[in-house]
Amino acid sequence: AQKITQTQPGMFVQEKEAVTLDCTYDTSDQSYGLFWYKQPSSGEMIFLIYQGSYDEQNATEGRYSLNFQKARKSANLVISASQLGDSAMYFCAMRENSGYSTLTFGKGTMLLVSP
Amino acid sequence: GAGVSQSPRYKVAKRGQDVALRCDPISGHVSLFWYQQALGQGPEFLTYFQNEAQLDKSGLPSDRFFAERPEGSVSTLKIQRTQQEDSAVYLCASSLGLAYYNEQFFGPGTRLTVL
Repeated sequence: AQKITQTQPGMFVQEKEAVTLDCTYDTSDQSYGLFWYKQPSSGEMIFLIYQGSYDEQNATEGRYSLNFQKARKSANLVISASQLGDSAMYFCAMRENSGYSTLTFGKGTMLLVSP
Repeated sequence: GAGVSQSPRYKVAKRGQDVALRCDPISGHVSLFWYQQALGQGPEFLTYFQNEAQLDKSGLPSDRFFAERPEGSVSTLKIQRTQQEDSAVYLCASSLGLAYYNEQFFGPGTRLTVL
């Protein structure tokens, strides 16, 4: 089974609008971390936001917020006031506490912001 | 401070050639990870190091792939007798540790094209 599922291959949004990128995850660990990365066409992975499994508050970083619903195992990224520079691939990833854990990525969502 | 650097940024190899990809992690980061990202996909784990020890190489696709980090800093991913299916972006990441909450910082990647 997929550990990270991103069901939206592509999303379109107009500049200044908000957009939600979906992510669901699957783990039996109690301790885990959820990460969102942005990958522009240049190829670099840019860290956006982190949510720990024990964090009671949803994480926020500037225009980025993470809508964490633990019971539903979802960790959606919300981008407020979209900008043209937000056009990129967005990846949801998880790091589990069991063993020596690495990041497991979803397939990504391509976001296009139009003027 | 300096981020993770990788060289070369682009590599074109003829099928059957050997290639070596270099990663310079952030100073002080003991954990180093290699990922392979095929076109249109999320990164997939290859191997990781804690200092000079290679703790997991279960993601290496074949015995043609070899990674080392002899002094616990710079790492090299070597691919012998390259095949067309090896064409991908190879990403290196480093982090302070292996805990699930440790953020991984990524380099710009090496885009390998095998003709």
